[in-house]
Amino acid sequence: DIQTTQSPSALSASVGDRVTITCRASQSISTFLCWYQQKPGKAPKLLIYAASSLQSGVPSRFGGSGSGTDFTLTINSLQPEDSATYYCQQTYSVPYTFGQGTRLEIK
Amino acid sequence: EVQLVESGGSLVQPGGSLRLSCAASGFTFSSHWMSWVRQAPGRGLEWVANMNQDGSQFFHVGSVKGRFTISRDNAKNSLYLQMNSLRADDTAVYFCARLVGNTGWRSCDIWGQGTMVTVSS
Repeated sequence: DIQTTQSPSALSASVGDRVTITCRASQSISTFLCWYQQKPGKAPKLLIYAASSLQSGVPSRFGGSGSGTDFTLTINSLQPEDSATYYCQQTYSVPYTFGQGTRLEIK
Repeated sequence: EVQLVESGGSLVQPGGSLRLSCAASGFTFSSHWMSWVRQAPGRGLEWVANMNQDGSQFFHVGSVKGRFTISRDNAKNSLYLQMNSLRADDTAVYFCARLVGNTGWRSCDIWGQGTMVTVSS
């Protein structure tokens, strides 16, 4: 199975800041990497697919990059509504493993 | 409106069985791979199973193999998860999700609201 390791597990930032979350796969997964946002009691919401493509309707302050084994999710100009847990997921091969999640707190 | 609605979650005793359903609407269900994903209380997301458009290909995570079975009925626009020999560590919210993709990518773009399964005596 491909392991996906996400870091950090939690971070705190202020409105207007830029934050970066990283995801590392245990083997090359090309660009089969997605990023999701989940708020408490809600279903995950797709933000980024194919490592760097922005899902329709997602604000442009969200961006993704990377290929192979190393990926990043960047959120520019943080907004209060960005407070959530963020997950990466590899969809290169089953089982489609998720990262452990990153809890983002807005100060 | 594109929508997925899960149902069937409940409290069940260890060793018991449960069948979850996911009703799809607003899109051509029979054209898409579908997935089940679960989330234990206070924990992260765990992919559980996938099935292709006509049900001829399916995959399950190792921890549920031999106990859970994914299936679908395209005539009813529905996805199912038959869960047998349930254990306490199967306690989770179970989400169904639509899988989309093309060359070089796949992602779950539409998710249901989830249904809670609690395994406890």
